[in-house]
Amino acid sequence: QVQLQESGPGLVKASETLSLTCTVSLYSIRSGYYWGWIRQPPGKGLEWIGSIYRGGNTFDNPSLKSRVTISVDTSKNQFSLRLTSVTAADTAVYYCARQKGTTGKFDYWGQGALVTVSS
Amino acid sequence: QSVLTQPPSVSAAPGQKVTITCSGSSSNIGDNDVSWYQHLPGTAPKLLIYDNNERPSGIPDRFSGSKSGTSATLGITGLQTGDEAAYYCGTWDSSLSIAVFGGGTKLTVL
Repeated sequence: QVQLQESGPGLVKASETLSLTCTVSLYSIRSGYYWGWIRQPPGKGLEWIGSIYRGGNTFDNPSLKSRVTISVDTSKNQFSLRLTSVTAADTAVYYCARQKGTTGKFDYWGQGALVTVSS
Repeated sequence: QSVLTQPPSVSAAPGQKVTITCSGSSSNIGDNDVSWYQHLPGTAPKLLIYDNNERPSGIPDRFSGSKSGTSATLGITGLQTGDEAAYYCGTWDSSLSIAVFGGGTKLTVL
């Protein structure tokens, strides 16, 4: 069973950069699939942030206005998210997940990491 | 404002059936397969349905999905108290080149 685990600071100051890493176990990122980030602000629904393929090709949500960078490190079987110039609106639980191509199918998810943006 | 539209809440009694709708457009549901997720507070979302009507291994056949045109529906029969959760539809939007989710529907089993 594929396992994903998010890690990173739980508190980030406004205007700074949020950085999270997702470590994948029991499946090699090199084998395929897209690897995505999804977030859920308090009291709100799910929002797709972006995804990356093993070769580094990425898709991201234009609503985040080019603040997103997603990268992959196949040697560590990890992929990462950087979100710059954060505000309180970026406070959310951040999930990493495995995505089947360019679809809405995310079949394995991490447990989620709460990131709070403080002023 | 979500790209896909779901009712905010639905409710039904234990043992009954409920349906949750997800409405989109020709560039998302009309052009791509739909997935459904169950999300319990404090846990990771769980994939319930993919490719409109397929269930992953381990998902009981009480859960079903269908799609017609630019809308999709999740059905749950034999409701249990453990089914109380938020349910989300998701798909790809071919015009925007993004994954999109509905706003979520909170299911209450009375």
